[in-house]
Amino acid sequence: GENVEQHPSTLSVQEGDSAVIKCTYSDSASNYFPWYKQELGKRPQLIIDIRSNVGEKKDQRIAVTLNKTAKHFSLHITETQPEDSAVYFCAANIVPGGSEKLVFGKGTKLTVNP
Amino acid sequence: DGGITQSPKYLFRKEGQNVTLSCEQNLNHDAMYWYRQDPGQGLRLIYYSQIVNDFQKGDIAEGYSVSREKKESFPLTVTSAQKNPTAFYLCASSISGTSNQPQHFGDGTRLSIL
Repeated sequence: GENVEQHPSTLSVQEGDSAVIKCTYSDSASNYFPWYKQELGKRPQLIIDIRSNVGEKKDQRIAVTLNKTAKHFSLHITETQPEDSAVYFCAANIVPGGSEKLVFGKGTKLTVNP
Repeated sequence: DGGITQSPKYLFRKEGQNVTLSCEQNLNHDAMYWYRQDPGQGLRLIYYSQIVNDFQKGDIAEGYSVSREKKESFPLTVTSAQKNPTAFYLCASSISGTSNQPQHFGDGTRLSIL
């Protein structure tokens, strides 16, 4: 069935280190992969997304890579800061043939220790 | 995203009672979505609407109902048939109903059982 697996479920790093979160998806027709950041008690906010026609996208300290052959994509945060602490969700879309929707991973709780 | 307003922020339900969660958007988006968020479960799709006067069941629609009579409004009713309604409910919208568009979230409604 439609599935997005996300690892790890928790991640603790020291300030200034890098953090990597990985997701795999099951629908080979998926072509859109957003990442959301959710601080405690707040709304998820889109931080970066990537489409299947590119392999990597960067925005300052955040980057996302996509391997369509292996059906996995990753979020990379460099030079982490305490304000990066949050829960991060990946998602992949389900394209026509099934219902048009995003399927989310279960989230990664990132803690950046000062 | 100030364009999506959910109310109330907190809601309490008594046994056998139906409650309605409000979601309004002024982004002129065609598509709207309702998600349920439980600890460690990520975001699970309840219902979605790709266009006004139309909606589809998501992955966990049982015990919920929706309407989409106006483009800007997508209320969710949690019926008495939903036996475990305690959760954080998030509404989202996207510019179109295709699954490869970013979704923008409201601040959420936290529903609890009295």
